[in-house]
Amino acid sequence: EAQVTQNPRYLITVTGKKLTVTCSQNMNHEYMSWYRQDPGLGLRQIYYSMNVEVTDKGDVPEGYKVSRKEKRNFPLILESPSPNQTSLYFCASSFLVGAGGYNEQFFGPGTRLTVL
Amino acid sequence: QKEVEQNSGPLSVPEGAIASLNCTYSDRGSQSFFWYRQYSGKSPELIMSIYSNGDKEDGRFTAQLNKASQYVSLLIRDSQPSDSATYLCAVVPSGSARQLTFGSGTQLTVLP
Repeated sequence: EAQVTQNPRYLITVTGKKLTVTCSQNMNHEYMSWYRQDPGLGLRQIYYSMNVEVTDKGDVPEGYKVSRKEKRNFPLILESPSPNQTSLYFCASSFLVGAGGYNEQFFGPGTRLTVL
Repeated sequence: QKEVEQNSGPLSVPEGAIASLNCTYSDRGSQSFFWYRQYSGKSPELIMSIYSNGDKEDGRFTAQLNKASQYVSLLIRDSQPSDSATYLCAVVPSGSARQLTFGSGTQLTVLP
């Protein structure tokens, strides 16, 4: 089954304790992205990756790191989480867009993170 | 200025009515437009895509695009309680490698 998986699905942690949220896709997609979703703000992009070893900042990258060592995996790292990073996080993947192309993004199930 | 704007709602319609969801975008060069549906606590799922001016129909859903007015809409005919969800408008800005910019979503409730 084609899917994007995220782990963990729920996480409660404390300020300053490093954590990693994993994301994996089995569709051979080049493009992967992390979003956070907060009430009234919609989905905001944190980081994205166009391919292995190619990553770039989205709209809200502060406090986050990513890596793309393999095509299928795109972990999100919070080196020193703070309460303002409490949010619902989604990983997504798609094929790269060509000119005028179609780029349906497939979303993972989400990770609800609470930082105390 | 926010790049993609939607009325946050909530929008309530009776069962069987037409629900109309609207979205405006700031980048005149945008070429690709999408509507995602998101049930509470779930991930977004793509329901419609549209690339050229005019209407595109898929079952009970119709997407409408007017690039001159920088406006895209989604009509849901014969609304059902199962259509109750948040609808997210997403746009690919011109020259963007970031692929999708989302609006904040419109919450729709279909009343039985």
